[in-house]
Amino acid sequence: NAGVTQTPKFQVLKTGQSMTLQCAQDMNHNSMYWYRQDPGMGLRLIYYSASEGTTDKGEVPNGYNVSRLNKREFSLRLESAAPSQTSVYFCASSDTNPGQFFGSGTQLSVL
Amino acid sequence: QKEVEQNSGPLSVPEGAIASLNCTYSDRGSQSFFWYRQYSGKSPELIMFIYSNGDKEDGRFTAQLNKASQYVSLLIRDSQPSDSATYLCAVPALSGSARQLTFGSGTQLTVLP
Repeated sequence: NAGVTQTPKFQVLKTGQSMTLQCAQDMNHNSMYWYRQDPGMGLRLIYYSASEGTTDKGEVPNGYNVSRLNKREFSLRLESAAPSQTSVYFCASSDTNPGQFFGSGTQLSVL
Repeated sequence: QKEVEQNSGPLSVPEGAIASLNCTYSDRGSQSFFWYRQYSGKSPELIMFIYSNGDKEDGRFTAQLNKASQYVSLLIRDSQPSDSATYLCAVPALSGSARQLTFGSGTQLTVLP
């Protein structure tokens, strides 16, 4: 039982390149989330999916797109990476039990 | 005013002491409160949650709610060096789905041996 799995763990991009961060959960949770975490800023919600087939913008959605591929998988895409997107990205999931459960994170650097 | 505010610290306490971490929230109608622990370079881990109807104790950890002053506290008794981490407070978001959380920026705790 792996919980929430994110890939890759580290990534370096050049400005303008694109990439997709993958997230999968095996807890049969309905809701999934993508956050970014910057020093001193806490966790900021990028996008979330309350249930399979739905996605909504969070606090900082600009420059990102998401896809809820199925109940297990929720991907985050950067179409044209910018240095301001250098951050640590976390995927999380939740269901009827309180709280959200996080993946191990992706450290992304955009040069 | 931010929805959730925490003193960023760092907060240093000696081993064996009580560490007290506070979090203020803006929505008087918040019904649940969450504490996450995040070790350096790791992901947040849920350690406590309480509802607005009362405090909660779990081992060395106690979460207390002060509704009148709109803050929630996390007390760590008999602090250990392994408790050194950043502690994030979270409350349900004001907008969006009921399961969204808004996080504070965290308080960095160091327990000195």
